[in-house]
Amino acid sequence: SYELTQPPSVSVSPGQTARITCSGDALPKQYAYWYQQKPGQAPVLVIYKDSERPSGIPERFSGSSSGTTVTLTISGVQAEDEADYYCQSADSSGTYRDVVFGGGTKLTVL
Amino acid sequence: EVQLVQSGAEVKKPGESLKISCKGSGYSFTSYWIGWVRQMPGKGLEWMGIIYPGDSDTRYSPSFQGQVTISADKSISTAYLQWSSLKASDTAMYYCARHRSRQAGSSTGPYYYYYMDVWGKGTTVTVSS
Repeated sequence: SYELTQPPSVSVSPGQTARITCSGDALPKQYAYWYQQKPGQAPVLVIYKDSERPSGIPERFSGSSSGTTVTLTISGVQAEDEADYYCQSADSSGTYRDVVFGGGTKLTVL
Repeated sequence: EVQLVQSGAEVKKPGESLKISCKGSGYSFTSYWIGWVRQMPGKGLEWMGIIYPGDSDTRYSPSFQGQVTISADKSISTAYLQWSSLKASDTAMYYCARHRSRQAGSSTGPYYYYYMDVWGKGTTVTVSS
């Protein structure tokens, strides 16, 4: 089955830039989505269609895509950004493609 | 405001049945797919499946096909996730989420994919003897 690969953890100091990657063979042809999950809370959509930001999401969150890798970038990281981040895309075949999640990346703000 | 309100925490014994719910409000319930995501303790997100309340079209992840039943009652804007015989391994947090459906093209023709734009707060299910 199709897989999306994320690093298990990323650490940054406040004010620095965090970059979280997600790799998958079908990403050049399919959009990626990013969700933030803070401890004890439900996930929240922070990036859709590789690089679009939903209303209410701070401008420091951005997304990009290059080949088989998509990247979530958080500029000027704040303590409140400490959370798990999941990328999501679609299965690589079929007419109705199942949702696929990456394994998640824990962002630690030092 | 678009909201998904999930039913409360459940504690069950192995072999028991269970049905948890997710009530949508603030949008046209019959016009969006709604589905379920499992998160086992300390683990990542797993997509279980979705239903389109407008016509009850339902799709399951292969990992959950036959293990659970997803249904919806459009008259009360509520989706359900059901087990007929719980196992200890069903212990998890279950989130419902509104799904947006999009169409794209490929070399073999059009296809449909989904993402989640609104989430419920989750229902904890604990299965223990």
